[in-house]
Amino acid sequence: AQKITQTQPGMFVQEKEAVTLDCTYDTSDQSYGLFWYKQPSSGEMIFLIYQGSYDEQNATEGRYSLNFQKARKSANLVISASQLGDSAMYFCAMREIHNTDKLIFGTGTRLQVFP
Amino acid sequence: EAEVAQSPRYKITEKSQAVAFWCDPISGHATLYWYRQILGQGPELLVQFQDESVVDDSQLPKDRFSAERLKGVDSTLKIQPAELGDSAMYLCASSPLQGSNTIYFGEGSWLTVV
Repeated sequence: AQKITQTQPGMFVQEKEAVTLDCTYDTSDQSYGLFWYKQPSSGEMIFLIYQGSYDEQNATEGRYSLNFQKARKSANLVISASQLGDSAMYFCAMREIHNTDKLIFGTGTRLQVFP
Repeated sequence: EAEVAQSPRYKITEKSQAVAFWCDPISGHATLYWYRQILGQGPELLVQFQDESVVDDSQLPKDRFSAERLKGVDSTLKIQPAELGDSAMYLCASSPLQGSNTIYFGEGSWLTVV
């Protein structure tokens, strides 16, 4: 069964520093997609970045990059030059392309950025 | 920028009462999802629509929950009767088509059952 594991309940980072949020996944499907979402205290899930299992290059979107290591089944999110507004919950999610279309989410990591 | 609209934003209801949530997806998005997020956990899918048809409702507690998307546009999620354990945030999401790598969420509807 597909599963997402986020082992860091909380992370602290100083403003302008980089931070890595860990995500490992388990699936028997060869075709899948990995997502990262940011959830501020307001509740909205904000899409950050996507990585397909067949994508050869790591995905990047502005200050966000995804460190995709397929053999290790990890999809860590790297945020460069952290800003105070990055403080939020971050969720990793996976979808198996040949299974149902639903996203399976991890339990999330709370990131706090301090000045 | 187009958004997924949800209402109400906050709802407090008494146990055994009925409650309903409404979602208007981004225009043109054929796939619509309802997720439930219990405090401290990640969201879990309740039901998925492709146009007006239900694609996956395997995790929807059908004895008390119902969902519809009659014209394939907006959708309503209903709970009757509400139970204390239903207290959670209900998130609606949409995507242009099934299998898309872009899935956009609304702000969610917070439900407290007392």
